Amino acid sequence: DTGVSQDPRHKITKRGQNVTFRCDPISEHNRLYWYRQTLGQGPEFLTYFQNEAQLEKSRLLSDRFSAERPKGSFSTLEIQRTEQGDSAMYLCASSKQPGNQETQYFGPGTRLLVL
Amino acid sequence: GNSVTQMEGPVTLSEEAFLTINCTYTATGYPSLFWYVQYPGEGLQLLLKATKADDKGSNKGFEATYRKETTSFHLEKGSVQVSDSAVYFCALSGGNAGKSTFGDGTTLTVKP
Repeated sequence: DTGVSQDPRHKITKRGQNVTFRCDPISEHNRLYWYRQTLGQGPEFLTYFQNEAQLEKSRLLSDRFSAERPKGSFSTLEIQRTEQGDSAMYLCASSKQPGNQETQYFGPGTRLLVL
Repeated sequence: GNSVTQMEGPVTLSEEAFLTINCTYTATGYPSLFWYVQYPGEGLQLLLKATKADDKGSNKGFEATYRKETTSFHLEKGSVQVSDSAVYFCALSGGNAGKSTFGDGTTLTVKP
C-alpha cells in the first residue's frame, strides 16, 4: 500500500492557460474524491467517482473544470482557461466502498499558482 | 446542508499542556466524524474517527468522543509535544456518498 499519489506537487501557470493534474488512488479503492483547499480554509468537495462513474459534482466545479477516471483507476482534473481565483491546493482522496467507506485517505496535494 | 464549526485559532501551548480543540457540527442523519492533521507541506492524515454516538476515537494520545446530544466532537490531548504542532481539521461524512465536510482548521503551535 503506497498511499495516494498526486502529480505534479506544484504548478505555476499564467492566467488563461490549461492545466491538468493526476491522482493515483490506493489500489483496490473504488472511490476517488477531489477537493480544493485555499489558504486558511478547510478542503471543499469538488467531485467524486465510484469506479469510472462520476457520481456527484459540486456547484463549485464550474464548466472550466473537468474530471475523468477512464478506467476506474487514476483520475485527472483539468482546469481550462485558468483564473487567478483558481490558485489553491487540489487534494485527491480515495476510499473503499463497501466496507470502511467513510474513511478517505488523502494524497499530498497539488499546489496551483495562477499568475 | 452539512456544516462543521471549529474553534478559531491559532492556539499556542507550552509542551506538556492540556489541549482541547472544540468542534460542533450540523448534519442530517447520523454522520461519521473525523479529525485530520496536516503538517507543514504535507497532505491530510487521518488522526481519529468515530462512526456512531458515544463512540470514542483515539490515536497517538489524542481522543474525541461523538456527542450526539450536543452535536460535538472535541479533540483532546493530555500532554502535547512540540511535534504536535500542525493544523487540525474536524470533518464529517454522512450518507452513502461519503464526501466529507470540513471545518476551517485550527493551527496548533507547541513551544518547548
